[in-house]
Amino acid sequence: GAGVSQSPSNKVTEKGKDVELRCDPISGHTALYWYRQSLGQGLEFLIYFQGNSAPDKSGLPSDRFSAERTGGSVSTLTIQRTQQEDSAVYLCASSLGANNSPLHFGNGTRLTVT
Amino acid sequence: GENVGLHLPTLSVQEGDNSIINCAYSNSASDYFIWYKQESGKGPQFIIDIRSNMDKRQGQRVTVLLNKTVKHLSLQIAATQPGDSAVYFCADLGGGADGLTFGKGTHLIIQP
Repeated sequence: GAGVSQSPSNKVTEKGKDVELRCDPISGHTALYWYRQSLGQGLEFLIYFQGNSAPDKSGLPSDRFSAERTGGSVSTLTIQRTQQEDSAVYLCASSLGANNSPLHFGNGTRLTVT
Repeated sequence: GENVGLHLPTLSVQEGDNSIINCAYSNSASDYFIWYKQESGKGPQFIIDIRSNMDKRQGQRVTVLLNKTVKHLSLQIAATQPGDSAVYFCADLGGGADGLTFGKGTHLIIQP
């Protein structure tokens, strides 16, 4: 079946511009996660959505970052007034949401801020 | 804070040999562990998981061992192949955390 889909796969933007990154989770998965991965680094947790509950935003690095999930499915991560340090791969993952269920990742969006 | 970390950043093995990638964790509340494989330009791919009520689990060519006494996790890959070259991450979920906590990863290099 289809996995987690992210778009665009690559995004180049100028410093100060806003960007939107999209994630289509696996159908039926109630949990959705956003992570950030800098070059050669591990994954940094950003935000977590579970069903209709309020999202866990504890990982968002600043108020320039926001995310929403419409209809319990598609999610959009928005970065306002992008900075060069925002350059990274942004990964989305989804899971069944049950305890101890693995996360399934998309291939990410590579964001480059010039 | 408590996190999951890896012992070695790079591991080089001969094709056909067995590989062992190690991981230490410090969160005593951890109850679920996952190993991921990440190839260049792709997202992490699920390999195998283990729950804290187990100490060993086997998959196809892979085995995960969990030692709760010393809070140590390992991934064994049998008869490594060129396609096994990737970065391997261990990740932990537990203690009320909503998201997996990842280590920095081990880069596995397969030499012909």
